[in-house]
Amino acid sequence: QQPVQSPQAVILREGEDAVINCSSSKALYSVHWYRQKHGEAPVFLMILLNGGEQKGHEKISASFNEKKQQSSLYLTASQLSYSGTYFCGTGRNYGGSQGNLIFGKGTKLSVKP
Amino acid sequence: EAQVTQNPRYLITVTGKKLTVTCSQNMNHEYMSWYRQDPGLGLRQIYYSMNVEVTDKGDVPEGYKVSRKEKRNFPLILESPSPNQTSLYFCASSLGGEGNQPQHFGDGTRLSIL
Repeated sequence: QQPVQSPQAVILREGEDAVINCSSSKALYSVHWYRQKHGEAPVFLMILLNGGEQKGHEKISASFNEKKQQSSLYLTASQLSYSGTYFCGTGRNYGGSQGNLIFGKGTKLSVKP
Repeated sequence: EAQVTQNPRYLITVTGKKLTVTCSQNMNHEYMSWYRQDPGLGLRQIYYSMNVEVTDKGDVPEGYKVSRKEKRNFPLILESPSPNQTSLYFCASSLGGEGNQPQHFGDGTRLSIL
């Protein structure tokens, strides 16, 4: 089952914050986050493992709530370079196999000057 | 430079003409995977491989074949392409099949089947 991302799209001004959510109907071992700019390949941002982990990457951080089976990506003080489509990916089978990594449909983020 | 290389990058062909998209990685990764990306649908997994000679179906395997004879290569084969296979295809690899490894994507192959 494909994880559900929300919102589908968001428009920000430079310096504003955004939150992107990723929810699954199945128990999760891990959640991946990737960013894809138009016409390019997805680029890895971070992986979170079950245990309520929170990770950071410059001004982009994420949390993972395994009880709620969801993850959130936080973008603070957004920059023009943050524009792109963000995908979460979840392991389909609890237990660590990435063989069935399944991606959400993506959230398109546009940062305006 | 560590990378995943796909060829060709672009291809326009006709229905029924067999084609192969190659994928090669130079990172000694065990896990490799193919995805197709269509507007509004995100990345959907076609096939994946946990190691040499070990492959399995993803979400949308119909009409595709793969093989993993060598660790570095994971070609995607369309035996009889049809217009509904027109899409953007990505190959990806990671160190292992565990959920704690990032996936490295190739630059993509845009296929148009007429």
